[in-house]
Amino acid sequence: GESVGLHLPTLSVQEGDNSIINCAYSNSASDYFIWYKQESGKGPQFIIDIRSNMDKRQGQRVTVLLNKTVKHLSLQIAATQPGDSAVYFCAENNNFNKFYFGSGTKLNVKP
Amino acid sequence: DTAVSQTPKYLVTQMGNDKSIKCEQNLGHDTMYWYKQDSKKFLKIMFSYNNKELIINETVPNRFSPKSPDKAHLNLHINSLELGDSAVYFCASSHKETQYFGPGTRLLVL
Repeated sequence: GESVGLHLPTLSVQEGDNSIINCAYSNSASDYFIWYKQESGKGPQFIIDIRSNMDKRQGQRVTVLLNKTVKHLSLQIAATQPGDSAVYFCAENNNFNKFYFGSGTKLNVKP
Repeated sequence: DTAVSQTPKYLVTQMGNDKSIKCEQNLGHDTMYWYKQDSKKFLKIMFSYNNKELIINETVPNRFSPKSPDKAHLNLHINSLELGDSAVYFCASSHKETQYFGPGTRLLVL
């Protein structure tokens, strides 16, 4: 359901440091996960995905880790840059075309 | 050559009015979606169409009526607007699982 009443969690990091954004998902049957980045005033943008038969996937400067035992997903961003400042969402899928989004984490990169 | 476009970008209207938001994608995708994002940034799916056929309807009030004239377009009509409808509405499209989002329509109901 909606995360009504919750403030958006914020992670503040120094430029050049690594960032780790966490997400807990709810459905143990979910078999596909995506991380999205949403910059201010824009729509969510695909970053990286992972299927449930994997526990790690790497992209350019980003790594997604999946722990199915505790239903936890994380996004690691290496050498965080000011352009990484945005709200990050994880989304889970257990039915083709139907995604459920997490409540989002705001990443604030300090120069 | 925007992939997923929405109009209008901003919409300010009075309670009780009827309004429409349009969405077009030029990616050749078969599936399109409408999402609602509230003030807490929570993003929730409303509808999904595949090749002009409704496949997901997430218990949205029937004041909201999506229409897909062809697979490149998915419009959202809202009747009798209420204060709680104020939000950002995102259209998206997908070929398989990856969804591409439009820039959003910011609706404010006064």
